[in-house]
Amino acid sequence: SYVLTQPPSVSVAPGKTARITCGGNNIATKSVHWYQQKPGQAPVLVIYYDTDRPSGIPERFSGSTSGNTATLTISRVEAGDEADYYCQVWDSSSAHRVFGGGTELTVL
Amino acid sequence: EVQLVESGGGLVQPGGSLRLSCAVSGFTFSTYSMNWVRQAPGKGLEWVSYISSTGGIIHYADSVKGRFTISRDNAKDSLYLQMNSLRDEDTAVYYCARDTADFDFWGQGTLVTVSS
Repeated sequence: SYVLTQPPSVSVAPGKTARITCGGNNIATKSVHWYQQKPGQAPVLVIYYDTDRPSGIPERFSGSTSGNTATLTISRVEAGDEADYYCQVWDSSSAHRVFGGGTELTVL
Repeated sequence: EVQLVESGGGLVQPGGSLRLSCAVSGFTFSTYSMNWVRQAPGKGLEWVSYISSTGGIIHYADSVKGRFTISRDNAKDSLYLQMNSLRDEDTAVYYCARDTADFDFWGQGTLVTVSS
């Protein structure tokens, strides 16, 4: 089955740029979606189809893919961005939806 | 406003059964595929099951295949998850989520605890 690998944690100072990676075999050939989850809350979609932002998501959130890595970039990080972030794809070979293990973003 | 509201969670003994429901509003339920996603305490998200808009296509994660059954009633704008032969490792918050290739809307979840 298809596996997505994320770093368990990323730390960044306020105002700086955070980059959260998601590794998978030829992930650039798939559509990657990203979710933000704050403690005690349901996940929220922040990036879909690699680079698109749903309405209401700040322009500070962006996505990209290349080769075996997808990246969620958060510019000008704020304290309110502190959360867990998950990448997700659809694995066509199994027809399963697959999540990465999640990355905890800490704002220093 | 799109809303998804899960119900039916609770405490159940290992080997027992439980049926979860997800009532939706604010969109035309019969035109969307749906999913169940779960999250064990302190753990990450795990996709559980998918059902197409008509119910004609269904998929399950290997961890629940043969024990869980997803279904829907488009006349009642409701999604269901029948969970049988429950195990300790099925303890989690269960979310229903609308499928547009991504999961664009989620419910707030219902907690299922499997314990003796």
